[in-house]
Amino acid sequence: EPEVTQTPSHQVTQMGQEVILRCVPISNHLYFYWYRQILGQKVEFLVSFYNNEISEKSEIFDDQFSVERPDGSNFTLKIRSTKLEDSAMYFCASSGPGRVGYGYTFGSGTRLTVV
Amino acid sequence: DAKTTQPNSMESNEEEPVHLPCNHSTISGTDYIHWYRQLPSQGPEYVIHGLTSNVNNRMASLAIAEDRKSSTLILHRATLRDAAVYYCIHAGNNRKLIWGLGTSLAVNP
Repeated sequence: EPEVTQTPSHQVTQMGQEVILRCVPISNHLYFYWYRQILGQKVEFLVSFYNNEISEKSEIFDDQFSVERPDGSNFTLKIRSTKLEDSAMYFCASSGPGRVGYGYTFGSGTRLTVV
Repeated sequence: DAKTTQPNSMESNEEEPVHLPCNHSTISGTDYIHWYRQLPSQGPEYVIHGLTSNVNNRMASLAIAEDRKSSTLILHRATLRDAAVYYCIHAGNNRKLIWGLGTSLAVNP
């Protein structure tokens, strides 16, 4: 069964450093998403991406965050200057080859720890 | 934001059916009803989704009320591997998912 692949599985970074989280969505999907989950809390929507541009973003997704689809397969989330409160599990997801009514497939996540 | 109401927790015995309820009274006419589950330390996993008609797949069945204000996820024979947090979410097609706290399902051997 097709999977969404995320790398790395764990990343430890110092406060103020830039991090890039990588995702390979399912190949024929057209919609891409990032979510995060702080330990013990709800899953939170960050951003959705379609046709090479952001289609929706949350209040969390401020100027420190950016997304990119640099080639036909990768989808990346960049945090420019990490803060302690960015420590969380980050999940990439993809959906739909364009037709209505498709579920979302999630990756296994990247655990980001900011120290 | 889209909002659903689910019981905090439920318990089942192995190999028995489980009915997980969800209320979504604010659902719009074009929103799909999604169910996902999350095992400890893992990413959310798609279970099933539907619009108006009841749906079946290899994992579960989804029964949608006629007025679409509630739905029930049915696991026909619970296994220990079904112990997880189950989330019911309604969302427009390819739109963001707004997550609640879900129902924590415990399965007793």
